[in-house]
Amino acid sequence: GESVGLHLPTLSVQEGDNSIINCAYSNSASDYFIWYKQESGKGPQFIIDIRSNMDKRQGQRVTVLLNKTVKHLSLQIAATQPGDSAVYFCAERRVGGSNYKLTFGKGTLLTVNP
Amino acid sequence: NAGVTQTPKFQVLKTGQSMTLQCAQDMNHNSMYWYRQDPGMGLRLIYYSASEGTTDKGEVPNGYNVSRLNKREFSLRLESAAPSQTSVYFCASNFGSNQPQHFGDGTRLSIL
Repeated sequence: GESVGLHLPTLSVQEGDNSIINCAYSNSASDYFIWYKQESGKGPQFIIDIRSNMDKRQGQRVTVLLNKTVKHLSLQIAATQPGDSAVYFCAERRVGGSNYKLTFGKGTLLTVNP
Repeated sequence: NAGVTQTPKFQVLKTGQSMTLQCAQDMNHNSMYWYRQDPGMGLRLIYYSASEGTTDKGEVPNGYNVSRLNKREFSLRLESAAPSQTSVYFCASNFGSNQPQHFGDGTRLSIL
């Protein structure tokens, strides 16, 4: 079946470097995408979202890029800090089912080395 | 501003026991959700409530029931717990379907 997936299950970067976390989705009808951060023992924390009528959206130190042609979503974190170490999930809303349902990827573990 | 509050944080049950997981949000959100998170799998939706007075099944509803008590509170009940229901349970809420969901810190449930 269709699913939201990630290219890399783990990513290790040096403090101060930029991080890029990728997500592939297979449902071309998906219209809303969200990135979450989850620290150990805590719930997912909303980072940034993007709708399918946009290609790029920026927040504080984060940028989400959406490439609908190849069904690819990425999260860029600038000047990565040790506090950014966590699991990052992407989620998509698929048009056609309930608008309230999100499909989550399994996550990428980001480790920031000091 | 507490956001989404879940109780209890930890619970151990024996097979066949029942319990209710509580969730409350103080953000005046219309919609609320219950998920389970298992190792190696993404979050899976159990039930959701699009608005006060409505509930709908998600991806994995078997063995669970829910109650939207009021706009703030959404509870999840396990009538007869089974070991397969050992998981971390998350409650979430949002204003509507095109808004990000905000999560609580989870209930870690073990069923022996």
